[in-house]
Amino acid sequence: QSALTQPASVSGSPGQSITISCTGTSSDVGSYNLVSWYQQHPGKAPKLVIFEVSHRPSGVSNRFSGSKSGNTASLTISGLQAEDEADYYCSSYAGGVVFGGGTKLTVL
Amino acid sequence: EVQLVEAGGDLVQPGGSLRLSCAASGFTFSAYWMHWVRQAPGKGLVWVSRINNGGDTTAYADFVKGRFTISRDNAKNTLYLQMNSLRAEDTAVYYCARGSGSYGDCWGQGALVTVSS
Repeated sequence: QSALTQPASVSGSPGQSITISCTGTSSDVGSYNLVSWYQQHPGKAPKLVIFEVSHRPSGVSNRFSGSKSGNTASLTISGLQAEDEADYYCSSYAGGVVFGGGTKLTVL
Repeated sequence: EVQLVEAGGDLVQPGGSLRLSCAASGFTFSAYWMHWVRQAPGKGLVWVSRINNGGDTTAYADFVKGRFTISRDNAKNTLYLQMNSLRAEDTAVYYCARGSGSYGDCWGQGALVTVSS
């Protein structure tokens, strides 16, 4: 169960859009539409923002969207806000569950 | 209000054992799969284990197989993680999470487990 690959960091200015990639293999991301994304602020528990590739839980802003192509999933945050600055993790079903290494989003 | 509260985190010596618990409230506990996920200091999230709503199907990350056991008591609305043969690298905050077989939609605040002599 190797970790999914995410960029270590991304940044954007308020109002802009950013995309975080999450690359796996044909055994995880590529095989199942069971990719999730989590937001984690420092010292806080993770919060689910996307599940099953592109579904938003109730209460999550529609500025968050997800997609998948082949072995790579993506999280897009549009209209960046200061409160979006956090760590973001992808995960995929793979028999068990495998997480990505995390991406630190900086809002400039 | 949906709530998950972990307990049992502590300082333990290498080779020792510890049992974490996760008390659930505000939802029908027996209807949900549950997960344990850990996060070493300054590091990323790592999935540890999962149990189905009935408690008869479990799965583990390779690095805990044979050492950790996940279980649940639906009558007590409580999830457990029995951790044996603990190693320094097991030092982490352990989160319980409610969800499906592939994700957690509600997380507890975490319990710190420190393995050190």
